Amino acid sequence: DAKTTQPPSMDCAEGRAANLPCNHSTISGNEYVYWYRQIHSQGPQYIIHGLKNNETNEMASLIITEDRKSSTLILPHATLRDTAVYYCIVRVSSGSARQLTFGSGTQLTVLP
Amino acid sequence: EAGVTQFPSHSVIEKGQTVTLRCDPISGHDNLYWYRRVMGKEIKFLLHFVKESKQDESGMPNNRFLAERTGGTYSTLKVQPAELEDSGVYFCASSPIAGVHTDTQYFGPGTRLTVL
Repeated sequence: DAKTTQPPSMDCAEGRAANLPCNHSTISGNEYVYWYRQIHSQGPQYIIHGLKNNETNEMASLIITEDRKSSTLILPHATLRDTAVYYCIVRVSSGSARQLTFGSGTQLTVLP
Repeated sequence: EAGVTQFPSHSVIEKGQTVTLRCDPISGHDNLYWYRRVMGKEIKFLLHFVKESKQDESGMPNNRFLAERTGGTYSTLKVQPAELEDSGVYFCASSPIAGVHTDTQYFGPGTRLTVL
């Protein structure tokens, strides 16, 4: 799995968009970008994943640069409940399931 | 649909004792994973079951840890004897064997283990 680099912490005002960056300059052509988050005292939660096209679901949007060396997770209207550690994970998505490799992530604090 | 459940939510034991953690995956999920986070460290993979078979146990720290998944449903993780460095939060996750969400893992709330 390619290595990822994320800022250790970020703040965001409630109601504003939270933009969380992730660098993955060594990503391979068959590797996907996954985002999970862990809210304090809970288990990690899947948010979104993508290969090269931008993706959007009910939780967030994922913007992947054209060269795929970096991506941004966007929470369009952050709430206090979005305060969590956000993990960017790059891995091959194939027919065989396998482990997730968590880094240190980004601690997002949404401020009132 | 019920999510991944884990029992107990907290466990406090003394060094040298035995503790068994239980995980009930989402019904129908053949993949079951164990992870843990020890104090101040990152979440680390322990092992992966496919049904009742151990697919990957490369993350198991030593032979004091024993995981089972008899019948391919729930799983247990036994620590015997427990040591101080085993303290942390143990997470279980599951995912289906096939389909578009194969690689999406659903996590339980974790078991917080404290070894005194």
